[in-house]
Amino acid sequence: GAGVSQSPSNKVTEKGKDVELRCDPISGHTALYWYRQRLGQGLEFLIYFQGNSAPDKSGLPSDRFSAERTGESVSTLTIQRTQQEDSAVYLCASRDQGLAQNNEQFFGPGTRLTVL
Amino acid sequence: DAKTTQPPSMDCAEGRAANLPCNHSTISGNEYVYWYRQIHSQGPQYIIHGLKNNETNEMASLIITEDRKSSTLILPHATLRDTAVYYCIVRVRSGGSNYKLTFGKGTLLTVNP
Repeated sequence: GAGVSQSPSNKVTEKGKDVELRCDPISGHTALYWYRQRLGQGLEFLIYFQGNSAPDKSGLPSDRFSAERTGESVSTLTIQRTQQEDSAVYLCASRDQGLAQNNEQFFGPGTRLTVL
Repeated sequence: DAKTTQPPSMDCAEGRAANLPCNHSTISGNEYVYWYRQIHSQGPQYIIHGLKNNETNEMASLIITEDRKSSTLILPHATLRDTAVYYCIVRVRSGGSNYKLTFGKGTLLTVNP
């Protein structure tokens, strides 16, 4: 079946503009995560969605970052008034919460954001 | 989550076993050892995880020392496609957002022809 998909694969924007990144999780996966990975660095957690529960936004670096998820499907990550420090690869992952013994997260290919 | 220490880079000859070490001396009794890898320009990929017993799957084997303070990921017959950054993580298996992953810099494994 299809894996996690993200779009666009690359986005170049000018400082101060807003961007919207999209994630399509694996069908049936109730848990969805957004991460950020700066060049040469590890993974930073941004936000987590699980079903109809309130999302865990504890990783969002500033109020310029927000994310939404429609039910248990598509999620969008929005960055307002982008800054050069926002340049990174933004990764989305989904997981089947119902598999209690499995902690595996399936990652998408990421969106490479470059803020000029 | 407990901190892990990995060498920044390793080399391996194609066809040979790649043994990637990880130290996690502060691991707690309820924390598992997970390994992920990230091939260049791709998202991270789950490899294997374990608690105290050695584990094996179609991708790799995980050897955890008896005191659980270190572990080794073994790729038995490394191929060029195994060139990637390998991340060792220790974490509890609780629910909800505690499933979020935090990676350090990992080990860059380069498989040479």
